[in-house]
Amino acid sequence: GAVVSQHPSRVICKSGTSVKIECRSLDFQATTMFWYRQFPKQSLMLMATSNEGSKATYEQGVEKDKFLINHASLTLSTLTVTSAHPEDSSFYICSARDQSGRLGKLFFGSGTQLSVL
Amino acid sequence: GENVEQHPSTLSVQEGDSAVIKCTYSDSASNYFPWYKQELGKRPQLIIDIRSNVGEKKDQRIAVTLNKTAKHFSLHITETQPEDSAVYFCAASSTMNSGYSTLTFGKGTMLLVSP
Repeated sequence: GAVVSQHPSRVICKSGTSVKIECRSLDFQATTMFWYRQFPKQSLMLMATSNEGSKATYEQGVEKDKFLINHASLTLSTLTVTSAHPEDSSFYICSARDQSGRLGKLFFGSGTQLSVL
Repeated sequence: GENVEQHPSTLSVQEGDSAVIKCTYSDSASNYFPWYKQELGKRPQLIIDIRSNVGEKKDQRIAVTLNKTAKHFSLHITETQPEDSAVYFCAASSTMNSGYSTLTFGKGTMLLVSP
């Protein structure tokens, strides 16, 4: 299947700092990527849809100035958690859609565990 | 928007038994229903999917059924093995006005297979 690479896998940072997470589709082009947040033992909650060459679409309740998304190319989307606080600690996962089919399948990155001290 | 309900939240079975996880969805326009398996701390992996023009799909020990009229779909795992233990998520896809489609996930089912 298609490969989606996500880095870093784990990051620990101090409160007030910013953290950037990268999501790359390695063997296919993805005009659309998705960013999710997952709390322990809970489901994946969609945060935003990242569209190549245009602004991201954020879900209700997600602060766009807090979670900056950039989708500068067909293979790379980044999520920057700005001025991180302990409540931002979570597992963040990206996914990318393989556009080769009319209803492209979704493939996930390996996730990033963010811990804000 | 779409709402996906998934049951049960936990399921414990003995090795060799069958396991069934059920999901319902609300948006009749949804036409793509994937199932993901997620082991602790790892990425969700697509294990099987079904589109609305098909009622059933099987891949070795895994099968998925879809009832569009009732708006529910189910995952069936036969001859379960300890390595099947994981959290399973169902999802439904509906296309937004922009043409992009997005997945709505169920809350997940933790499957525990005892040897």
